Amino acid sequence: DTGVSQNPRHKITKRGQNVTFRCDPISEHNRLYWYRQTLGQGPEFLTYFQNEAQLEKSRLLSDRFSAERPKGSFSTLEIQRTEQGDSAMYLCASSPPLAGEQETQYFGPGTRLLVL
Amino acid sequence: AQKVTQAQTEISVVEKEDVTLDCVYETRDTTYYLFWYKQPPSGELVFLIRRNSFDEQNEISGRYSWNFQKSTSSFNFTITASQVVDSAVYFCALCGGATNKLIFGTGTLLAVQP
Repeated sequence: DTGVSQNPRHKITKRGQNVTFRCDPISEHNRLYWYRQTLGQGPEFLTYFQNEAQLEKSRLLSDRFSAERPKGSFSTLEIQRTEQGDSAMYLCASSPPLAGEQETQYFGPGTRLLVL
Repeated sequence: AQKVTQAQTEISVVEKEDVTLDCVYETRDTTYYLFWYKQPPSGELVFLIRRNSFDEQNEISGRYSWNFQKSTSSFNFTITASQVVDSAVYFCALCGGATNKLIFGTGTLLAVQP
């Protein structure tokens, strides 16, 4: 079984541009999470989906950020009008539906964003 | 509020030494879950171990062991006979109550010297 995949792995953009990242969870995992990690810090929660429903959003997720999971499979995270402060590693994770296992999140390799 | 504290910023050991990584957490939830993740230089977070709040039994899995003590809100992680490949940043994380988000500590950078 393949793990969580994320594309692209690296993205360099100019301030003010829009960027979109994609996450493909482990198959049959119904929960999907997005986190952001800046240098020297632990990951910070951004948002969470159960199937196609977005159930929780962090205050970190400003109105320039939007996440979707239209068919309950892959997810996209879009940042509009990027700012230099958006430079970070964006991590996606998924967890299985099994009771007693759903709290364990498995992470993808991340997308490293650099805003110039 | 939930919080995870990893007071050790960096640890350096020589190969084959045992090393313990400390983690202290805060939560008001009665049911919660604690995790350790490893982040090697490649950047991908790798799940290592998980412990449920209602199970304080400490275990050993290969070279890894953990010590969960609710009385002191600590969840320490030990690597026995460390190897160079263990060099990474180790994160302790908490998932509590009805929320499904992980709260991470700031990580401990472990450097294992040959």
